[in-house]
Amino acid sequence: GNSVTQMEGPVTLSEEAFLTINCTYTATGYPSLFWYVQYPGEGLQLLLKATKADDKGSNKGFEATYRKETTSFHLEKGSVQVSDSAVYFCALRGRGSYIPTFGRGTSLIVHP
Amino acid sequence: GAGVSQSPSNKVTEKGKDVELRCDPISGHTALYWYRQSLGQGLEFLIYFQGNSAPDKSGLPSDRFSAERTGGSVSTLTIQRTQQEDSAVYLCASSPTLGAANYGYTFGSGTRLTVV
Repeated sequence: GNSVTQMEGPVTLSEEAFLTINCTYTATGYPSLFWYVQYPGEGLQLLLKATKADDKGSNKGFEATYRKETTSFHLEKGSVQVSDSAVYFCALRGRGSYIPTFGRGTSLIVHP
Repeated sequence: GAGVSQSPSNKVTEKGKDVELRCDPISGHTALYWYRQSLGQGLEFLIYFQGNSAPDKSGLPSDRFSAERTGGSVSTLTIQRTQQEDSAVYLCASSPTLGAANYGYTFGSGTRLTVV
């Protein structure tokens, strides 16, 4: 079956540091890949997505590239802000599957 | 509506009582999903609807859990005889359609259920 593995958190960074949150997946075929963000007390929000190999999703300074050869979709940001503190979820949706699969989430804490 | 609305936002109930959680999806979204998020855990899939139909109920944790959707819109998740292990945040999400794999999902803010 499909699965998503994320690095465990919390990830603690200083403001303006470079961020990487690793995500690898297992799926049959070529799934669509997503990153969601959950701010404290809120629901999940779609951050970015990529639907085919080598696609790069980007939004709000965050980027992730769909790497078929390494089955990865790592989230990156060049300079984090305190306001980026949240929990980040990697997710996939397989072709022909109606049930999206989420990782366990990675908490990011950014200090001033 | 403009977003996915869930109610109540918080619910404290006594062990053994029944609770109903409501989800109002984005107007026109035919697909609706329920997830459970427990402290320190990821998102646990519970059930999905295409229109009013729920083809796969295997994600529901026990027969105390049930869900329905009426008019292709509002969905209700019911937990009977609540137990302390049911305490979690229950999230609802909707999507324009079930079939297209490249759609993201719009989530509500969730209902935090505490069973005491």
